[in-house]
Amino acid sequence: SQQGEEDPQALSIQEGENATMNCSYKTSINNLQWYRQNSGRGLVHLILIRSNEREKHSGRLRVTLDTSKKSSSLLITASRAADTASYFCATVLSNDYKLSFGAGTTVTVRA
Amino acid sequence: EAQVTQNPRYLITVTGKKLTVTCSQNMNHEYMSWYRQDPGLGLRQIYYSMNVEVTDKGDVPEGYKVSRKEKRNFPLILESPSPNQTSLYFCASSFVGGGEQYFGPGTRLTVT
Repeated sequence: SQQGEEDPQALSIQEGENATMNCSYKTSINNLQWYRQNSGRGLVHLILIRSNEREKHSGRLRVTLDTSKKSSSLLITASRAADTASYFCATVLSNDYKLSFGAGTTVTVRA
Repeated sequence: EAQVTQNPRYLITVTGKKLTVTCSQNMNHEYMSWYRQDPGLGLRQIYYSMNVEVTDKGDVPEGYKVSRKEKRNFPLILESPSPNQTSLYFCASSFVGGGEQYFGPGTRLTVT
């Protein structure tokens, strides 16, 4: 079964707006990662946040992690058409090495 | 250029005809993994390898085999493909298990 679940499933925003998507998971994690996938292509790693971290930034991306609520959020600020993609969260359990992916959030940025 | 390569990129085959999808990485990564991606299901792990000669089952290993004889290569073998193995397949690698993964471009397989 999937460990992470993204919400919403799909998101449509205007260029320049911010996009927020959430990921919830079920059991204790070692780290949580966010990936981007452009239509049918390979996934690209965005950010890795460890269980003892609460927030990380990378350019226009901001990731938060709340281990008490078993949830994470990805914020894309000042979105661009090139941000149109599917975004996946992936969790690594505390006692494991493999990534478990959610079903993803499809983001469409309208010009 | 650091990369993960997969071949072939597209493959149409018939039920029962053995096939191999190759995966190679040039980053000296210890960890390699295979995933399949199906609509609405995200990525599901098929097999992974922590290092040479060390492989283990993921979430959906039935119908697949792998081998890791060299650090850079991790081929996926379908001994007797069936239509339910029609999917988009990704190979990925990372320095260590649980770390940032680098993905190949994908192999779109159709089994008729």
